[in-house]
Amino acid sequence: DTGVSQNPRHKITKRGQNVTFRCDPISEHNRLYWYRQTLGQGPEFLTYFQNEAQLEKSRLLSDRFSAERPKGSFSTLEIQRTEQGDSAMYLCASSQAAGGFYEQYFGPGTRLTVT
Amino acid sequence: AQSVTQLGSHVSVSEGALVLLRCNYSSSVPPYLFWYVQYPNQGLQLLLKYTTGATLVKGINGFEAEFKKSETSFHLTKPSAHMSDAAEYFCAVSDPTGGGNKLTFGTGTQLKVEL
Repeated sequence: DTGVSQNPRHKITKRGQNVTFRCDPISEHNRLYWYRQTLGQGPEFLTYFQNEAQLEKSRLLSDRFSAERPKGSFSTLEIQRTEQGDSAMYLCASSQAAGGFYEQYFGPGTRLTVT
Repeated sequence: AQSVTQLGSHVSVSEGALVLLRCNYSSSVPPYLFWYVQYPNQGLQLLLKYTTGATLVKGINGFEAEFKKSETSFHLTKPSAHMSDAAEYFCAVSDPTGGGNKLTFGTGTQLKVEL
């Protein structure tokens, strides 16, 4: 169990550019979640996958955001035409599937700064 | 819809003193409740959770919390604070009846421990 990893850890980009983040979950976990955390706030749910299927998207996830999990393993989160309001910490978490609650294990996050 | 309110964005205690971090929730169904801790530049770590059964739950590092349905509360306590407890603490709620176990977080409480 090597934990959830996220890359890059930090990203600075100019407004209008596209960025992509990667999340590698714990290998046996088939659920993967993305959250966003802005300064002084708690994490907010963005979307989650069970295996390769994206089962729910928050209204926070505008059309500029897209997430994929092509083979039910790693996931990517892409933001197109970044805006300054997208500056935040993007957290990924993974867990086993339902049938009771399974703990979500969080990665260290990717901090995005849009200048 | 679910929500979490954490009273006190900053709490300061002396080393060895009681730690009390407050959390109240709103949920239309009996919720699952959690406390997470976040150290600087790190992801979130689960301290403890309430799903069903005993309402007093014990977690890691000497923390415990009590689910009080009548008060819609899930306050976090530790009898004796240690310097290493200084971190940000988040209360979270999940709907066990659906929604993929996504978490709704409060805005967090920054705990400072003084000598």
